[in-house]
Amino acid sequence: QVQLVESGGDVVQPGGSLTLSCAASGFIFSSYGVHWVRQAPGKGLEWVAFIRFDGSSKFFADSVKGRFTISRDTSKNTLFLQMNSLRTEDTAVYFCAKGGRTVVIPFDYWGQGTLVTVSS
Amino acid sequence: SYVLTQPPSVSVAPGKTAMITCGGNNIGSKSVHWYQQKPGQAPVLVIHYDSDRPSGIPERFSGSNSGNSATLIISRVEAGDEADYHCQVWDGSKDHVVFGGGTKLTVL
Repeated sequence: QVQLVESGGDVVQPGGSLTLSCAASGFIFSSYGVHWVRQAPGKGLEWVAFIRFDGSSKFFADSVKGRFTISRDTSKNTLFLQMNSLRTEDTAVYFCAKGGRTVVIPFDYWGQGTLVTVSS
Repeated sequence: SYVLTQPPSVSVAPGKTAMITCGGNNIGSKSVHWYQQKPGQAPVLVIHYDSDRPSGIPERFSGSNSGNSATLIISRVEAGDEADYHCQVWDGSKDHVVFGGGTKLTVL
């Protein structure tokens, strides 16, 4: 069965950096686009970033563009989110989600999320 | 940027029909997807491409999309349907995924 397992969430100071990972299994990882989505405490869902199945296209929300980087390691079936210059407003649960083969959305599978807290 | 507007909350009695709207400029020209999220859990896709149900989703869930509004319809509401519901579209003009603000469905 499809599984997405996030890790790497932590408490980090403003201005700091953190890398999240998402281990994928149960599907051909190299054939699907994947996303990061976040949810601040008590708030709605906010899309963060997308990477195409072959890594050839990457899209970012305006709120993270220039600070976050998305990448994937097909040999390890793993998705990454490198977060730099973190701000208190980046505090959220970060989910990875599986997109389609030829379409960006919808997301048919989600991980359970990892918590990132940005605080001094 | 493209904006999706949902009511913050909707209340419905058990057995009745709940309708959750998602407003956006000419949203009828886009494909709308809906997610259900229960407290402490990841979202689950309940309607894709405006009105289609993924495998395993009860027939009580349906959707429509026209003009400037899309609607998630939950018939014969049960206590277990109490959750947050989020609509989603793709904004091709900016290569962005857009979510609505989410609607909390309360079963009275």
